[in-house]
Amino acid sequence: QKEVEQDPGPLSVPEGAIVSLNCTYSNSAFQYFMWYRQYSRKGPELLMYTYSSGNKEDGRFTAQVDKSSKYISLFIRDSQPSDSATYLCAMSAQAAGNKLTFGGGTRVLVKP
Amino acid sequence: EPEVTQTPSHQVTQMGQEVILRCVPISNHLYFYWYRQILGQKVEFLVSFYNNEISEKSEIFDDQFSVERPDGSNFTLKIRSTKLEDSAMYFCASTRQGAVDEQFFGPGTRLTVL
Repeated sequence: QKEVEQDPGPLSVPEGAIVSLNCTYSNSAFQYFMWYRQYSRKGPELLMYTYSSGNKEDGRFTAQVDKSSKYISLFIRDSQPSDSATYLCAMSAQAAGNKLTFGGGTRVLVKP
Repeated sequence: EPEVTQTPSHQVTQMGQEVILRCVPISNHLYFYWYRQILGQKVEFLVSFYNNEISEKSEIFDDQFSVERPDGSNFTLKIRSTKLEDSAMYFCASTRQGAVDEQFFGPGTRLTVL
């Protein structure tokens, strides 16, 4: 079983729709959960960071973590064409020098 | 806004040659990382570096890889004898502290081994 699984997509939505992304993981030691956005041939850019379970909202983005189900989600409201990118979930277990374990990424296309 | 920079943006080399990828982390950051992403695959952790020594490395980071912080600003990844399968995007990242701060990624160096 892969440590972090993520549907590769592509996920195509009309402009203004809600984008729903998720990852599942198998390592119960993961405590820190992140979502990165990656445009083609660029480095990952951090969107959201969550520690342990719960919800976190930042503008149009909402991240949810359910540690009991080993399931994390990212919702993007009022999606824009500029949101078209690959979204990577990442997680880490330790607090210091925390290496990130990434999902494979979901490609999102927001159509005008 | 401070950012991580990497040079070169694209490096082409012959199999068996040595390459050095360079990174300038954000100036007040303490932890440094290298990741790689083979085309179409996941971003994979290679190594983390703190206080002038390796704090953790992955199985990928074998004896042909080394890292160095030769001065107060640069952080380098050396691959001694490149293989075809080393072709990938290599990302440098840094963080102010390892606990809860985000890892800022550079734009990457595309390494092509012929």
